[in-house]
Amino acid sequence: RKEVEQDPGPFNVPEGATVAFNCTYSNSASQSFFWYRQDCRKEPKLLMSVYSSGNEDGRFTAQLNRASQYISLLIRDSKLSDSATYLCVPSNAGNNRKLIWGLGTSLAVNP
Amino acid sequence: NAGVTQTPKFQVLKTGQSMTLQCAQDMNHNSMYWYRQDPGMGLRLIYYSASEGTTDKGEVPNGYNVSRLNKREFSLRLESAAPSQTSVYFCASSEGGSYQPQHFGDGTRLSIL
Repeated sequence: RKEVEQDPGPFNVPEGATVAFNCTYSNSASQSFFWYRQDCRKEPKLLMSVYSSGNEDGRFTAQLNRASQYISLLIRDSKLSDSATYLCVPSNAGNNRKLIWGLGTSLAVNP
Repeated sequence: NAGVTQTPKFQVLKTGQSMTLQCAQDMNHNSMYWYRQDPGMGLRLIYYSASEGTTDKGEVPNGYNVSRLNKREFSLRLESAAPSQTSVYFCASSEGGSYQPQHFGDGTRLSIL
């Protein structure tokens, strides 16, 4: 089983749509979880940290289910500028200074 | 707000040449990282430095060396460049420890002919 798995997409949605991304991670001992976005050939940028209670930042809501080893990201009222690859990033269970990077999910928001 | 600064942004080398990629952060972070990203692949950790004075290998350290010059600076050296090292290189930093995200520089695009 891969350390982190996401549906690669691409997800094509119209402006204003709500879109959800799901992610599973393999090691139950991972302690930290983050969502990053990466535009084509650019650096990953932190979107939000994910807390056990779930958290919201404007149009973005993240949820963590430790029992199921599942993380989600909900984007409401999608904008054209939301088009990017979204990366679910858990910490390395053996070394929390290290993060586990997968391929992410590609989102295209269309006018 | 500079954050993490990488130099150079682009570089073309010939096989066998050496070069050093520079990285500096102004966030007073303890930990710094070097990654490479190839088409169709996720980020792969080359080396990291948990704190000033320490460095450790990541997943793909072969062909690279690093120096944590001080708390701010972490350099990556290619001693004898090979075409397989053509990639985009990202430097990142974090406060270190659990629950701390990493913050990235905007990358160095390196081509080796």
